[in-house]
Amino acid sequence: DGGITQSPKYLFRKEGQNVTLSCEQNLNHDAMYWYRQDPGQGLRLIYYSQIVNDFQKGDIAEGYSVSREKKESFPLTVTSAQKNPTAFYLCASSTGVIQPQHFGDGTRLSIL
Amino acid sequence: GEDVEQSLFLSVREGDSSVINCTYTDSSSTYLYWYKQEPGAGLQLLTYIFSNMDMKQDQRLTVLLNKKDKHLSLRIADTQTGDSAIYFCAESMISGNTPLVFGKGTRLSVIA
Repeated sequence: DGGITQSPKYLFRKEGQNVTLSCEQNLNHDAMYWYRQDPGQGLRLIYYSQIVNDFQKGDIAEGYSVSREKKESFPLTVTSAQKNPTAFYLCASSTGVIQPQHFGDGTRLSIL
Repeated sequence: GEDVEQSLFLSVREGDSSVINCTYTDSSSTYLYWYKQEPGAGLQLLTYIFSNMDMKQDQRLTVLLNKKDKHLSLRIADTQTGDSAIYFCAESMISGNTPLVFGKGTRLSVIA
C-alpha cells in the first residue's frame, strides 16, 4: 500500500541534543512538508520541498534543518537551537504544492 | 495575505447534523479542502471543492461554498460518536507556488 511513514512514533530529546525525525513516502510525490502542531495552534509549516535537492523555509524554520537527497525521503532535524521542541510533528506529501496533502501518523517529541 | 479562520469548538448530539464553518481571505483560492484528525493521528483528507463550485455532496458530507462571503462549510449528517475529531479547512492559492494554508481546526465533540 502506498503511504507516508514517520518514525519513530515517540522520541525523547535531552538538553543540547540534536534529533532527527524520519519521513518516507512511496506515493511518488514531488512535494513534501513538515509541520509542527501544538495544542490549540493548528498546524505551523516548518519547511517544505517541491523537488529533490531544493527546500524552502516555512513560518517557523528557526532551530530546524532538513535535507531532500531522495524523492521519497525528507528527514527533519530538531537542533539544540530549538528551545521549545516539545510538540507533535507531522510530515505530508503531495503531487504538487496546490494539490491535496497526504499525511503521516506523526512523531511526538518530548524533552527529558 | 492568506488567513483561514475557524471556530475552535463544536458540540452536537448523536444523530443530529453538524455544521463546521470556515472563512478565508484570499479570493484567488483554487481548491478548498476539509481534513479530519483523530487523536494522536495525522490528518485525513475528507473532501474538497473547486472554487467554481457552490456545493459538493459525498455520502453524509456536504460542502457549501459562498464565494461572495468567502465562507466554506462542512455539514455532517446523522453525526456519530466516531465523527468526534478535529476538522481543518485549508485553501490553495491560484499562484500555485505556495503550500496550502490551514485553519487552526474545529474540535467536534459528539454527545451520545
